[in-house]
Amino acid sequence: DTAVSQTPKYLVTQMGNDKSIKCEQNLGHDTMYWYKQDSKKFLKIMFSYNNKELIINETVPNRFSPKSPDKAHLNLHINSLELGDSAVYFCASSQEPIDTQYFGPGTRLTVL
Amino acid sequence: QKEVEQDPGPLSVPEGAIVSLNCTYSNSAFQYFMWYRQYSRKGPELLMYTYSSGNKEDGRFTAQVDKSSKYISLFIRDSQPSDSATYLCAMRSNSGGSNYKLTFGKGTLLTVNP
Repeated sequence: DTAVSQTPKYLVTQMGNDKSIKCEQNLGHDTMYWYKQDSKKFLKIMFSYNNKELIINETVPNRFSPKSPDKAHLNLHINSLELGDSAVYFCASSQEPIDTQYFGPGTRLTVL
Repeated sequence: QKEVEQDPGPLSVPEGAIVSLNCTYSNSAFQYFMWYRQYSRKGPELLMYTYSSGNKEDGRFTAQVDKSSKYISLFIRDSQPSDSATYLCAMRSNSGGSNYKLTFGKGTLLTVNP
């Protein structure tokens, strides 16, 4: 009974490629997030959607585009991948933006 | 100055020790304070959640917030090898929009040795 799931778990790709990471939550939450955790374990928010509407958009290159087809899904598409994009990307969800956030297992992206 | 400062460690203690983990912050608007635990190659999970100043206890864990000093702590009593993980503090304000976002510390890597 995975609450927040992400696919794939690992992603290895070449510079310049385009890739997507998918996230699904079965908690019935209205708010979903994408975080990036770098090699030094620093966890930083990238985007947040509430009821499919973008509410947080941090300073992220526009090569990153989130897409929320419905409240249970928030996908992250990355164009023209760069070496610096290598990190672990976490999806999270909460009932409302002020509520406790539940994190997925992460997607480890390696750009060669 | 970063909004949230946390000593990354690593911190290594013997089983049974009392562990103290700390964060300082600069944004006086922060009202909600959290501690997340992250095991290796897993997502963070919420451990403790406190609002404003004061203490909160849950089993072997105690969270303290001192807003006057902009300082928060997590104490772990009778530490166990299963407590070995990275502990991240997180905090946010209570105003709307993007201020709902959590700001994390860099995490402290804790190892409890049997």
